[in-house]
Amino acid sequence: SAVISQKPSRDICQRGTSLTIQCQVDSQVTMMFWYRQQPGQSLTLIATANQGSEATYESGFVIDKFPISRPNLTFSTLTVSNMSPEDSSIYLCSVEAGNVPYEQYFGPGTRLTVT
Amino acid sequence: GQQVMQIPQYQHVQEGEDFTTYCNSSTTLSNIQWYKQRPGGHPVFLIQLVKSGEVKKQKRLTFQFGEAKKNSSLHITATQTTDVGTYFCAGVGSSNTGKLIFGQGTTLQVKP
Repeated sequence: SAVISQKPSRDICQRGTSLTIQCQVDSQVTMMFWYRQQPGQSLTLIATANQGSEATYESGFVIDKFPISRPNLTFSTLTVSNMSPEDSSIYLCSVEAGNVPYEQYFGPGTRLTVT
Repeated sequence: GQQVMQIPQYQHVQEGEDFTTYCNSSTTLSNIQWYKQRPGGHPVFLIQLVKSGEVKKQKRLTFQFGEAKKNSSLHITATQTTDVGTYFCAGVGSSNTGKLIFGQGTTLQVKP
């Protein structure tokens, strides 16, 4: 299992600014994922972040807009750049952990509102 | 690209009634997982199904994986108010990259 914390838990930001979300895990993990979840909607994978390599982005998400860092096996950051109201969402990080292959543990999420 | 469809989107039941949510993939899956997200919370892993035709039970919850490994269901017997939340299926494609493709989720409301 894994315990994941995210900072900040929520924020209200102005259009055009950037926000960096931190994800800290209590154990070393290889694969970390960043998701976006709009209220009442499903989870959409933004990117996969493996330590020591560039993040792999899903279709519709680009590095310039969502730069990701993965400096070690317990930490990652996601930056939401040049924000617009359409970026208002919950951002979740997750890790593969546990006894079941591909089982993911999720952080509590960061609720972002862009005004 | 690969898609996972889930129905119904919402379900309101009286406490004690049964509930079922269905999940269909556009492609064959290597396995399928189910997660539960309580209101205001984050998704929590429930179970993983790997084998064709597999059935697993967790107390009042029964999970099935179709013979063709393209569909799955979650059935809750005699719902309780603690079952309230959104249930997501998530498929792992045959490429086994570890990426999960989430269904749209079914939100369950239980009236006491």
